[in-house]
Amino acid sequence: DAKTTQPPSMDCAEGRAANLPCNHSTISGNEYVYWYRQIHSQGPQYIIHGLKNNETNEMASLIITEDRKSSTLILPHATLRDTAVYYCIVRVASSNDYKLSFGAGTTVTVRA
Amino acid sequence: GAVVSQHPSRVICKSGTSVKIECRSLDFQATTMFWYRQFPKQSLMLMATSNEGSKATYEQGVEKDKFLINHASLTLSTLTVASAHPEDSSFYICSAPRAQNTEAFFGQGTRLTVV
Repeated sequence: DAKTTQPPSMDCAEGRAANLPCNHSTISGNEYVYWYRQIHSQGPQYIIHGLKNNETNEMASLIITEDRKSSTLILPHATLRDTAVYYCIVRVASSNDYKLSFGAGTTVTVRA
Repeated sequence: GAVVSQHPSRVICKSGTSVKIECRSLDFQATTMFWYRQFPKQSLMLMATSNEGSKATYEQGVEKDKFLINHASLTLSTLTVASAHPEDSSFYICSAPRAQNTEAFFGQGTRLTVV
């Protein structure tokens, strides 16, 4: 799987949108971008994934650039409970190999 | 609600004893499950792939005789830490994909402390 690069940390204000960037410049054509988050002392939680088009669900929006070399996860209205480490991962979704390679992620702190 | 359940959530054991951790898929069958380990302030590291009906596949550097994996049914994988030592103290997490082309779900994690 291709490697991703994320900023180590970011702060955001409660109630504001949080925009989390991820670079994946070596992504292959058949690799999806996945986002997970891990709240302290819990297992990771799936957030969203996409291939080319922008995606939105009840948790977040995923914006993927046209060249697919980077993406942004948007938490539209951050709450204190969104404080977590956010991981951007790329993998071939059509494969049966669900091994996920976790980088260091971005530690997001939402402040009141 | 949780679709992958891990038990126990926390265990303290004496050095030299063995500890079993269970990972269950609650409303789907999982022919493959994954075991990760996470040390404090570090990211998750894949330890092994648990395969139903066959031997587990271990990542490089993971001792298969120490971390025994049994995938006895389509909904249950167990990780046994044999003769645990303080350096095995860590956060162990399992995951399972519900189906092809979907996300992987993670258990709540098990905090193992070996004293």
